[in-house]
Amino acid sequence: EVQLVQSGAEVKKPGESLKISCKGSGYSFTTYWIGWVRQMPGKGLEWMGIIYPGDSDTRYSPSFQGQVTISADKSISTAYLQWSSLKASDTAMYYCARSLEVAGSGDYWGQGTLVTVSS
Amino acid sequence: QSALTQPASVSGSPGQSITISCTGTSSDVGYYNYVSWYQQHPDKAPKLMIYEVSNRPSGVPDRFSGSKSGNTASLTISGLQAEDEADYYCRSYTSSSTLVFGGGTKLTVL
Repeated sequence: EVQLVQSGAEVKKPGESLKISCKGSGYSFTTYWIGWVRQMPGKGLEWMGIIYPGDSDTRYSPSFQGQVTISADKSISTAYLQWSSLKASDTAMYYCARSLEVAGSGDYWGQGTLVTVSS
Repeated sequence: QSALTQPASVSGSPGQSITISCTGTSSDVGYYNYVSWYQQHPDKAPKLMIYEVSNRPSGVPDRFSGSKSGNTASLTISGLQAEDEADYYCRSYTSSSTLVFGGGTKLTVL
């Protein structure tokens, strides 16, 4: 059974760093792309970026380039999304999803990780 | 890169059909057949309903169908059911080798 399991909810202060994870199982992790999607409270879905764990090829939305870092450790079938200095506006639910091609659809999604940034 | 344009809300009665539009440009929806649609119920992760414009994943009812004309893609739900009430998002690949979502449409089943 294909599963993407994300790390748990986080509560952080502005300026702190954070790395959340998305662990894949039930399929060949290195042959699918893993994308990240932000959903701010009460708002729509925003595509952040995507990584191919096989060779770490990474693409970013212009809106998120330089704001976050996407990485992956294929030895443990896990993709990551990280911030070096959180802002209150980073408060959101973050989803990971896999796709066969970079242009392809997200056929399996993680359950989401809620990140709350508040002083 | 701007979000694709979707109506904020649509509604229909049980058994009726509704269509949600998703308008982009010749650099995304109009150029590529990589348009997908997602259903999201409150506090749930999105679920893939249509991929590559008109293909249904296994398990998605055939009441859901997709199409595209020019720069506009459409999702049609026929025989509306109460459980179809949700938010729906389109997504397209772009000429910048990125992906972009629509703003989302809230479907109300009256």
